[in-house]
Amino acid sequence: NAGVTQTPKFRILKIGQSMTLQCAQDMNHNYMYWYRQDPGMGLKLIYYSVGAGITDKGEVPNGYNVSRSTTEDFPLRLELAAPSQTSVYFCASKWEGAPTDTQYFGPGTRLTVL
Amino acid sequence: DAKTTQPTSMDCAEGRAANLPCNHSTISGNEYVYWYRQIHSQGPQYIIHGLKNNETNEMASLIITEDRKSSTLILPHATLRDTAVYYCIVRDYSGAGSYQLTFGKGTKLSVIP
Repeated sequence: NAGVTQTPKFRILKIGQSMTLQCAQDMNHNYMYWYRQDPGMGLKLIYYSVGAGITDKGEVPNGYNVSRSTTEDFPLRLELAAPSQTSVYFCASKWEGAPTDTQYFGPGTRLTVL
Repeated sequence: DAKTTQPTSMDCAEGRAANLPCNHSTISGNEYVYWYRQIHSQGPQYIIHGLKNNETNEMASLIITEDRKSSTLILPHATLRDTAVYYCIVRDYSGAGSYQLTFGKGTKLSVIP
């Protein structure tokens, strides 16, 4: 299994541009998550999904959108990029119902908005 | 709001045991304590979790006090590759059967040669 994959690894955007961060998992996990991590800080939850077609807001959803049309994919959309969205973005997944709440994380996407 | 308190940083000599403390004085009876770590520039990695009893796996041991208000993660023989930020997390309930992990700033562990 490849686990959780994210593309791209790095991206530089200009203010006002839009982009989609891709996330895919091949573990048949039902739950998927998007986090952002600012320098020197912990992770903050942006959005999560409990299954295909179901998404919900996390702690910091403003400026982002998500969709979950398949079990495998959970893209994160930035419509109007702002400097405050400069961060490292991590996608994660887990199987709800497993004896542990183990989330598996991708390698991250480092985004800079100038 | 953070449900756990951890020291900002710690050093440990290579080959020695690393003991990372965590306070979670407001933990409720059915909440688990989870530990994750994040090696520089990588995504977080699950280490171990526990409810009441001490737990051990191939990576670490978790010691939870009897009153459950604090715990200690033990890396028995720290190596340079264990240098990372370690997060102690009490699992939050966000409704509708969904649990979330809230990552604070964690403890930056530096293993010294």
